Amino acid sequence: DSGVTQTPKHLITATGQRVTLRCSPRSGDLSVYWYQQSLDQGLQFLIHYYNGEERAKGNILERFSAQQFPDLHSELNLSSLELGDSALYFCASSAGQFGYTFGSGTRLTVV
Amino acid sequence: DAKTTQPNSMESNEEEPVHLPCNHSTISGTDYIHWYRQLPSQGPEYVIHGLTSNVNNRMASLAIAEDRKSSTLILHRATLRDAAVYYCILRVYGNEKLTFGTGTRLTIIP
Repeated sequence: DSGVTQTPKHLITATGQRVTLRCSPRSGDLSVYWYQQSLDQGLQFLIHYYNGEERAKGNILERFSAQQFPDLHSELNLSSLELGDSALYFCASSAGQFGYTFGSGTRLTVV
Repeated sequence: DAKTTQPNSMESNEEEPVHLPCNHSTISGTDYIHWYRQLPSQGPEYVIHGLTSNVNNRMASLAIAEDRKSSTLILHRATLRDAAVYYCILRVYGNEKLTFGTGTRLTIIP
């Protein structure tokens, strides 16, 4: 157990639907990062939050959004889902400059 | 982000040392060298990082060339559990984003 908790572990949904992925960071970590891993794209950085504020955006689609709540957990919202959104979504947390701790991921399958 | 170059795959025998190379010829003075690994069906895992000097921890050692244009991750005695994709990443001080490349897929032969 890395200390970063992601739920659900698996999610199957239909095209056009909306889903929410949840991440609880390791205790004390203020930063949360979201990554997408698909077979053909590798690990792609999506977005970074620090203590509730958005810090950096990567290759995140407009259909995707995220937020970090006062208790520091984060949610990644994916809407108008397409087949190509099927991927593993990882959350990571960190306390500062060095060393991310990743969760075990949410496997999203869009059918 | 500065680019790193790693071999796509490597094989090593169990219980032998493994040297995983990484080239980063465009590294700048404020770039830290980070290594992560991803075991099958798991999220990436932090291994080690360094700036200029060689570094050791319980998982591995990191040897950094004097000109910093290359580095080597050393697993001193490989086990089957070390079979994973290993990523070498340059991280700019003050920039918390990690940019993953394609990494090196390490296969351990029993």
